[in-house]
Amino acid sequence: DAKTTQPTSMDCAEGRAANLPCNHSTISGNEYVYWYRQIHSQGPQYIIHGLKNNETNEMASLIITEDRKSSTLILPHATLRDTAVYYCIVRVTDSSYKLIFGSGTRLLVRP
Amino acid sequence: SAVISQKPSRDICQRGTSLTIQCQVDSQVTMMFWYRQQPGQSLTLIATANQGSEATYESGFVIDKFPISRPNLTFSTLTVSNMSPEDSSIYLCSVARDSSGIKDEQFFGPGTRLTVL
Repeated sequence: DAKTTQPTSMDCAEGRAANLPCNHSTISGNEYVYWYRQIHSQGPQYIIHGLKNNETNEMASLIITEDRKSSTLILPHATLRDTAVYYCIVRVTDSSYKLIFGSGTRLLVRP
Repeated sequence: SAVISQKPSRDICQRGTSLTIQCQVDSQVTMMFWYRQQPGQSLTLIATANQGSEATYESGFVIDKFPISRPNLTFSTLTVSNMSPEDSSIYLCSVARDSSGIKDEQFFGPGTRLTVL
């Protein structure tokens, strides 16, 4: 699975959009980009995933560049409860289902 | 979604002893996994718990240290054997269903916080 690079930490103001970048320059054609987050003292929570098209769900939007070498997770209106560590993971959607976690980005939403 | 419970939620153990952690899911699932999260670190996959067969371990993890059982499609156990302080971590189980068109995501349990003295 391709390696990902994320900033160690970020912060944003409550009510504003949080844009979390991820670099995955060695991504292969059959690898998906997944985002999970881990709120303090809880297990990770799935957010969204995509292959090459932009994706949106009730939690967030995922923007993948045309060359697929980077992506951005967008939380459109961040709340204090969005304070968490956000993990960008690249993997093949095969039968192994394995997730290899990197170090993630610690997002702090300020009041 | 899937609701996952783990027992115990936390424990403090003496070195040299063993602890068995249970993971119970509210529905049948194809895949179950065990992860370790050391203090201040990210998650590391220990093994895939296969129903009816031996678990598949990741590099750096062995069956003698982390024996795993998976007797059915809703339950698994992880044992941390002959513990040392370096085993102090949060241990999490996760599950995934065969996607077959269903959203391909994993659900994680709340974790078991283990402290070894």
